[in-house]
Amino acid sequence: EAQVTQNPRYLITVTGKKLTVTCSQNMNHEYMSWYRQDPGLGLRQIYYSMNVEVTDKGDVPEGYKVSRKEKRNFPLILESPSPNQTSLYFCASRWGQPNSPLHFGNGTRLTVT
Amino acid sequence: DAKTTQPNSMESNEEEPVHLPCNHSTISGTDYIHWYRQLPSQGPEYVIHGLTSNVNNRMASLAIAEDRKSSTLILHRATLRDAAVYYCILTAGGYQKVTFGIGTKLQVIP
Repeated sequence: EAQVTQNPRYLITVTGKKLTVTCSQNMNHEYMSWYRQDPGLGLRQIYYSMNVEVTDKGDVPEGYKVSRKEKRNFPLILESPSPNQTSLYFCASRWGQPNSPLHFGNGTRLTVT
Repeated sequence: DAKTTQPNSMESNEEEPVHLPCNHSTISGTDYIHWYRQLPSQGPEYVIHGLTSNVNNRMASLAIAEDRKSSTLILHRATLRDAAVYYCILTAGGYQKVTFGIGTKLQVIP
């Protein structure tokens, strides 16, 4: 089954403790992206990647890192999480063409205390 | 980046058609118009997309204005399962930032 898999689904952590949210897709998609969703602010793009070793900032990249060492994986790294990064995070992937639909994961709810 | 504007919320009666509007006055010639919806507690899912011509699929229809500055997602017979937040976004090959905005929350009344 074609899917985007995020782990974990829920995560509670403390300020400053490094964490990684994993994202994997099995569709051989070139493009992958991370979003955060906050009440009243909609979905905002954090980082995206056009292919292996090619990443770029979205609208809200501060406090996040990403890497794309393999085509299928696109982890989101929070080196020093802060409470304002408490949010619902979604990973998505698609083919490289702009008319290709995005496939989303089921989300990771992160709480930073 | 090209932006879209949607009403925050809409209501529809069950089994009636729903027309969800989207304005994108700064759209460029290579921008595709995509619609997604997000059901409660789920990630967004693709609904439909188009470039210039109207489009139909099993989920919905997309009507695109002649000047492409607006579009309308049409659900032909709303069901309770269509209650969701609907997002209209633009994508192009020239840039890959994709902003979803707040979307339109559709309430379907039994």
